[in-house]
Amino acid sequence: DAGVIQSPRHEVTEMGQEVTLRCKPISGHNSLFWYRQTMMRGLELLIYFNNNVPIDDSGMPEDRFSAKMPNASFSTLKIQPSEPRDSAVYFCASRVAGDWETQYFGPGTRLLVL
Amino acid sequence: SQQGEEDPQALSIQEGENATMNCSYKTSINNLQWYRQNSGRGLVHLILIRSNEREKHSGRLRVTLDTSKKSSSLLITASRAADTASYFCATYKGGGAQKLVFGQGTRLTINP
Repeated sequence: DAGVIQSPRHEVTEMGQEVTLRCKPISGHNSLFWYRQTMMRGLELLIYFNNNVPIDDSGMPEDRFSAKMPNASFSTLKIQPSEPRDSAVYFCASRVAGDWETQYFGPGTRLLVL
Repeated sequence: SQQGEEDPQALSIQEGENATMNCSYKTSINNLQWYRQNSGRGLVHLILIRSNEREKHSGRLRVTLDTSKKSSSLLITASRAADTASYFCATYKGGGAQKLVFGQGTRLTINP
């Protein structure tokens, strides 16, 4: 079975540009999480969805970040406008209701904002 | 803020030796989990120990939990080069147990 799929795997952009990161959770999973990983701050939860509904976005750093989950098989994390301090690895993870304790991570998107 | 803090931050040992990593946390927990992250990859769930358990085994992994000290340890026995990775402890924070909070991780290097 395919795991969590993220695209792109690498993104290099210039400050001020819009960046869209994409995630396809594991089929049948009903919770989806977006994390950001940096050397300075480690792994931080940005936002998570249950059944496509955003539950907690308190980790979203500022209004430049937005996330959507239009259906059970797709989510986006958008940064507009991007800034150099947004450079990080962004992970998507999903979870199934029957095993709420375990999260399954995608390979991540490495973002570099110049 | 990080719920778990791993110690040491980095560990380098010879293949075949045992590796021990520690995690301390701040608030009461229902369970504690360990994840592994290979370089350039996502995190992979290794093992979960519940608050009413003191020790758990999975293959070459042994996890202990001391709720009185709010600490856990992960032991990897007979280490292999493929065990080279970063290891994170994680606990759920807040009501509803929805938010998984990770420590800063221990970077383990197994030298052949």
